[in-house]
Amino acid sequence: NAGVTQTPKFRVLKTGQSMTLLCAQDMNHEYMYWYRQDPGMGLRLIHYSVGEGTTAKGEVPDGYNVSRLKKQNFLLGLESAAPSQTSVYFCASSSHRAAQGTYGYTFGSGTRLTVV
Amino acid sequence: AQTVTQSQPEMSVQEAETVTLSCTYDTSESDYYLFWYKQPPSRQMILVIRQEAYKQQNATENRFSVNFQKAAKSFSLKISDSQLGDAAMYFCAYRRAGANSKLTFGKGITLSVRP
Repeated sequence: NAGVTQTPKFRVLKTGQSMTLLCAQDMNHEYMYWYRQDPGMGLRLIHYSVGEGTTAKGEVPDGYNVSRLKKQNFLLGLESAAPSQTSVYFCASSSHRAAQGTYGYTFGSGTRLTVV
Repeated sequence: AQTVTQSQPEMSVQEAETVTLSCTYDTSESDYYLFWYKQPPSRQMILVIRQEAYKQQNATENRFSVNFQKAAKSFSLKISDSQLGDAAMYFCAYRRAGANSKLTFGKGITLSVRP
């Protein structure tokens, strides 16, 4: 009954370093999403995926890349971290059977990333 | 594009009292869904309540209820008998009906509960 699991939960990076955030879901959901949360900004969509092997840009995609090689995993990469990417990152998933939007998302517990 | 507006950044309520959190949205769609999420200090996003736009009846979940005014594009959350555990950030969110739709969030409101 894990739901959506994000790793790591915390990370500090130096400017220019790279890293990958992993999101795993065990609910067989088709759709997966990456959001970032910043004070006073709410949650903003970075990238999303509607199925294995597919990805698409969201509202704030610059500086990030994603991959969905397996249905249960959705990876968010930062190739060259910048202080502006200091944020809390949330992964979420939803079922294609709720494609009409009836339900909200299942969220992970978030990753707090600091870029110094 | 759809937008969700939460104009009040902070609110405070006395324990056991009632508080209403405001939300407005803008959309040209006729079929959509609205949500309120709670984010306590643990950071976990918790779905509080949802409303289908095609339903005239306001959604209710225990102490939580909404006032959905479709023509005014307003979706407020009422918390009755406020408890200390209700202290959190609350986000209003919108999702149009149909495949590939995505949640759009407001900026959130921080609710504090005074004992």
